[in-house]
Amino acid sequence: AQSVTQLGSHVSVSEGALVLLRCNYSSSVPPYLFWYVQYPNQGLQLLLKYTSAATLVKGINGFEAEFKKSETSFHLTKPSAHMSDAAEYFCAVSDRTGANSKLTFGKGITLSVRP
Amino acid sequence: DAMVIQNPRYQVTQFGKPVTLSCSQTLNHNVMYWYQQKSSQAPKLLFHYYDKDFNNEADTPDNFQSRRPNTSFCFLDIRSPGLGDAAMYLCATSRGWQANQPQHFGDGTRLSIL
Repeated sequence: AQSVTQLGSHVSVSEGALVLLRCNYSSSVPPYLFWYVQYPNQGLQLLLKYTSAATLVKGINGFEAEFKKSETSFHLTKPSAHMSDAAEYFCAVSDRTGANSKLTFGKGITLSVRP
Repeated sequence: DAMVIQNPRYQVTQFGKPVTLSCSQTLNHNVMYWYQQKSSQAPKLLFHYYDKDFNNEADTPDNFQSRRPNTSFCFLDIRSPGLGDAAMYLCATSRGWQANQPQHFGDGTRLSIL
């Protein structure tokens, strides 16, 4: 079965600093991976997805993620944090062995941005 | 804009009083999902529909039911809400059932139980 691990529950950065949110996956087959963002009292919004095309994936709001098979990682980055980036971020993997779109989510990471 | 709409955004009900949450979509997607999300946790899948085919997760309580009368609408019925059912309920859709299909979420309904 696939799984994702998001280490730590909270990351705090200064405005303008690099954002790095870590995600490691476990999968017996090449995975499909997703990053979602959730703002307070809202649903999840798709930031970006990896579906076995380019390993460097660019998403919305200036975020990108790089799929590294050797490290089983799919870390999310943004060069310069903005106050509006404060939110909960979820990494997720879909059920490729079962060939369906059911998602397994990580526990999520809360990003805080300091002025 | 095509979207997933959940009503109401906030719902308060009494312990044991049935409640229905609704979801509509203008994306014309085949698959619709219901998730339960408790505070500071990841969403937990309750069930999904592929067209009219209903699929229940093994650990979804019998207290939770769902209906999908047509492509656009899906309902979550909680027959006898308990205090432990207080949560955010998220509806999502995907174009198909393939693993590379991203899910599109509504803004959720926050359910409180008195």
